[in-house]
Amino acid sequence: EVQLLESGGGLVQPGGSLRLSCAASGFTFSSYAMTWVRQAPGKGLEWVSSISGRGGSAYYADSVKGRFTISRDNSKNTLYLQMNGLRAEDTAVYYCAKDPVQFSDGYNRWDYWGQGTLVTVSS
Amino acid sequence: DIQMTQSPSSLSASVGDRVTITCQASQDISNYLNWYQQKPGEAPKLLIYDASNLETGVPSRFSGSGSGTDFTFTISGLQPEDIATYHCQQYDNLPVTFGQGTKLEIK
Repeated sequence: EVQLLESGGGLVQPGGSLRLSCAASGFTFSSYAMTWVRQAPGKGLEWVSSISGRGGSAYYADSVKGRFTISRDNSKNTLYLQMNGLRAEDTAVYYCAKDPVQFSDGYNRWDYWGQGTLVTVSS
Repeated sequence: DIQMTQSPSSLSASVGDRVTITCQASQDISNYLNWYQQKPGEAPKLLIYDASNLETGVPSRFSGSGSGTDFTFTISGLQPEDIATYHCQQYDNLPVTFGQGTKLEIK
């Protein structure tokens, strides 16, 4: 059974940093691209970043480019999102999600999602 | 960026009704369009991919159609468990973008 479990969310002051983690199980992690999608309170979904299975390619939304870094440790079956220079508008539930197609780019569609972790940026 | 415009933003329907949601892209996206269902407090769930393909395990009352700029999502025979927000998503070009969502309620 595929499982994705996010952690690392919390309250942080503007300008601060957080690292989100997504622990994956139930599939060959290194074969699948992974993605972070966020949802601000009461708002729609926003794609944040995607990374290929081996980690060689990464893609970012303009709103986070230069501040967020996506990475993965395939030996630990874990996806990360390092978030620096956090702003109030980054407040959201952050979901990690798995691409259903092996060796894809990762930003097509997502068949499994974690339960989400809440990031609140406030002073 | 490609803008995705969903309508309506909210919808009230009765059990058994046929429900239709539309999604319009600001430019031609071929069939690179997916639909998700999100129940309150839960993560999104993929229902339809590539505009008209039903994801494995999804009931056949859900369907999608369209190509280019205009897409339709249909529930044929609304069930109480279908109460959720529905999102369209394009992946023709980066950044991936979503519609603003359609909140579906039972009348």
